[in-house]
Amino acid sequence: GENVEQHPSTLSVQEGDSAVIKCTYSDSASNYFPWYKQELGKRPQLIIDIRSNVGEKKDQRIAVTLNKTAKHFSLHITETQPEDSAVYFCPLAGGYNKLIFGAGTRLAVHP
Amino acid sequence: NAGVTQTPKFRILKIGQSMTLQCTQDMNHNYMYWYRQDPGMGLKLIYYSVGAGITDKGEVPNGYNVSRSTTEDFPLRLELAAPSQTSVYFCASSSTRGSSYNEQFFGPGTRLTVL
Repeated sequence: GENVEQHPSTLSVQEGDSAVIKCTYSDSASNYFPWYKQELGKRPQLIIDIRSNVGEKKDQRIAVTLNKTAKHFSLHITETQPEDSAVYFCPLAGGYNKLIFGAGTRLAVHP
Repeated sequence: NAGVTQTPKFRILKIGQSMTLQCTQDMNHNYMYWYRQDPGMGLKLIYYSVGAGITDKGEVPNGYNVSRSTTEDFPLRLELAAPSQTSVYFCASSSTRGSSYNEQFFGPGTRLTVL
């Protein structure tokens, strides 16, 4: 069935370093790829998304790249800061805007 | 706009009790969703609605019921609470404007413990 695999499950970086999280999907029909961030004890929030007709999208320190041939997309965070510490999700987007979440990647940024 | 609001914030239930988790959005969104999130895990879709009077099951609907009588409100009902329903419950909504996919806006969550 349709699913998304996310790697790594945990990531620890020093403040100022870059962080990359990769998601691989199986459904060739997928054409919308969102990233949600959930800080500890808070609600998930969309931080960036990309559609299949675009290869890369950037918003300040975060960027998402999409490789449709290889069926993977990645979240890049540059110049990481302690407030980037959170769980990041790349849910599978389906009909009626439904989202199917995996376990996410827990990012820790150490000062 | 208040966005998506949920009540209560916290609740402790005894096994077998019932309760309703309330969810309201003031963004005039047609689509609404209920998720549960167990510790250290991702969110699981319980039920969703594409408009008033229309609801459908998600990934984990057993033990829950929903109704959607207005665009704004989407309550989630637990009839016979079980310890396995201990979780954080998030309500979300999204617009149907423009493109085929739109951002989901989440409420602050309800932390439910069943003892």
